Amino acid sequence: QVQLVESGGGLVKPGGSLRLSCAASGFTFSDYYMTWIRQAPGKGLEWVSYITSSGSSVYYADSVQGRFTIYRDNAKSSLYLQMDSLRADDTAVYYCARRLAATYLDYWGQGTLVTVSS
Amino acid sequence: QPVLTQSPSASASLGASVKLTCTLSSGPSSYAVAWHQQLPERGPRYLMHINSDGSHSKGDGIPDRFSGSSSGAERFLTISSLQSEDEADYYCQTWATGIVVFGGGTKLTVL
Repeated sequence: QVQLVESGGGLVKPGGSLRLSCAASGFTFSDYYMTWIRQAPGKGLEWVSYITSSGSSVYYADSVQGRFTIYRDNAKSSLYLQMDSLRADDTAVYYCARRLAATYLDYWGQGTLVTVSS
Repeated sequence: QPVLTQSPSASASLGASVKLTCTLSSGPSSYAVAWHQQLPERGPRYLMHINSDGSHSKGDGIPDRFSGSSSGAERFLTISSLQSEDEADYYCQTWATGIVVFGGGTKLTVL
């Protein structure tokens, strides 16, 4: 069955960096777009970034543009999110999700918590 | 780009039905929408997507009690025979080139 497992979250100081990973299994990873979504404590879901199946195109929310980088390794069935210049308002649970082509998200991971605090 | 609006909360009694609404604005009313369920302290789960003509397709293992429909710019999620485990946050989601959009979510309370 489809599984998405995020890792790499933790406590980081403002201005710091963190790299999140999402290990995928149970499907042909290279056939699917992949997406990062976050949820601040007590808040709703916020789209962060997505990447096309080949990795040739990437898109970002305005709130992270220029600070975050999404990329993938299809040989390892893994998705990544490099987060730089982190701010307190980046504190959230970060989820990876599979995206059916350029449409809806059909499978989600369990999330990894990122806390940005001094 | 599309904007999705949801009521912040809804409630219904155990065994009853509830219809949650997601309203599209700031874009064509022809957008399809997906619904996701988030149980307390859990990650979201895809329920279904609904096209503008009301046709819908559910995710793996989603019970028949969950159904979808559409009218104009509104996309609906109906849950019948409500159970206590349906108490959750429900989010609608749509997309356009270069963007994924979520509604603000509806917190469903089962009385």
